[in-house]
Amino acid sequence: DIVMTQSPVSLPVTPGEPASISCRSSQSLLHNNGYNYVDWYLQKPGQSPQLLIYLGSYRASGVSDRFSGSGSGTDFTLEISRVEAEDVGVYYCMQPLQVPWAFGQGTKVEIK
Amino acid sequence: QVQLQESGPRLVKPSETLSLICSVSSDSISRYYWNWIRQSAEKGLEWIGRRYTYGGNNYNPSLESRVTMSVDTSKNQFSLKLTSVTAADTAVYYCARDRGGQYEGLDYWGQGILVTVSS
Repeated sequence: DIVMTQSPVSLPVTPGEPASISCRSSQSLLHNNGYNYVDWYLQKPGQSPQLLIYLGSYRASGVSDRFSGSGSGTDFTLEISRVEAEDVGVYYCMQPLQVPWAFGQGTKVEIK
Repeated sequence: QVQLQESGPRLVKPSETLSLICSVSSDSISRYYWNWIRQSAEKGLEWIGRRYTYGGNNYNPSLESRVTMSVDTSKNQFSLKLTSVTAADTAVYYCARDRGGQYEGLDYWGQGILVTVSS
């Protein structure tokens, strides 16, 4: 099974400042179609997860351009250019390349 | 706006079968893949499996022997059955959609339903 490992586990952030979350997979997520099969989700307090980024770097519909995804192979990054108060919650990476699909353990983002 | 809504018993006895339904509104259930995911404090987010409207399943091998998923296009619903449950199956269960080959993430999720396994 592919294991997804995120860091840090907790991330205190200052509004207006950038933030970055790392996700590492135990196997390459680069498909032979050229796409990296990694998604990013945000679970706000009391809500279900919501899609931010799919296939490594594609923003989902309606997602702010403050969010961007990058990386290839086994190392991926989610960046928030300027954190806002509404961005607090737990961020998860997920691989949909190989069954069983797997999530990272989450990174909790909170305002300092 | 597509909406997904989970429903079913919130309390299930050990060794019995957990049965949940996900109702899909505002869009046809056809042409998509339908996923079940659960979340517990112990295991975090765990993907249970997915089913294509017109057949074909992918199940998590750790649960495969106990899981059945099906789609009812006439009712715009899809379902999950998990047999022989134990306390370890206590979790919030979510349904979610993906587009299969034209993959664009799990783009719609239900609000989740907490299912407790207890006698």
